[in-house]
Amino acid sequence: DVKVTQSSRYLVKRTGEKVFLECVQDMDHENMFWYRQDPGLGLRLIYFSYDVKMKEKGDIPEGYSVSREKKERFSLILESASTNQTSMYLCASSKGRHEAFFGQGTRLTVV
Amino acid sequence: GQNIDQPTEMTATEGAIVQINCTYQTSGFNGLFWYQQHAGEAPTFLSYNVLDGLEEKGRFSSFLSRSKGYSYLLLKELQMKDSASYLCAPRGSNYQLIWGAGTKLIIKP
Repeated sequence: DVKVTQSSRYLVKRTGEKVFLECVQDMDHENMFWYRQDPGLGLRLIYFSYDVKMKEKGDIPEGYSVSREKKERFSLILESASTNQTSMYLCASSKGRHEAFFGQGTRLTVV
Repeated sequence: GQNIDQPTEMTATEGAIVQINCTYQTSGFNGLFWYQQHAGEAPTFLSYNVLDGLEEKGRFSSFLSRSKGYSYLLLKELQMKDSASYLCAPRGSNYQLIWGAGTKLIIKP
């Protein structure tokens, strides 16, 4: 079974902190994605990556950056956390044009 | 523009059948996915349609009409564990998924 693991299930951070969300997948997928999910809204794509060291902006990249130094790992960085970044963050991976597999999600609260 | 429209919430009875509709507008089209998401959990893949017609997978079936920009997910013999949100996600010309807000399905005994 494909496994996508996010480093934390719940996080509470202070405004202005730099926050790192880590995601690891074990199926050699080339594609990895970071989404955020808020009540009443569909998943919104923050960043994605098609290969190591490659990154592309999604629909809402402002306030975020990413890093993909190894194929299996895709990190999301909140440079200076703000309260409007309180959300559920979901990492996903996929192979080619096949379905995406999701991690369990990180519920981030910024206070 | 790109738009997905699904009902916000539906209620059905255990053992019954329910159909969840999805209409979409996308720039280009490269298939449509349905995912299930239980509260507080990650979405899990249910089905994929790229050609018109019905795809059946056990108790779940998904239908696509590309000309109408329409899909539905059909759930038969409903069980309590089917209480979840169901997300419709067509894929546009850039191969990125466009996600609807999802339909929350409540199953009553």
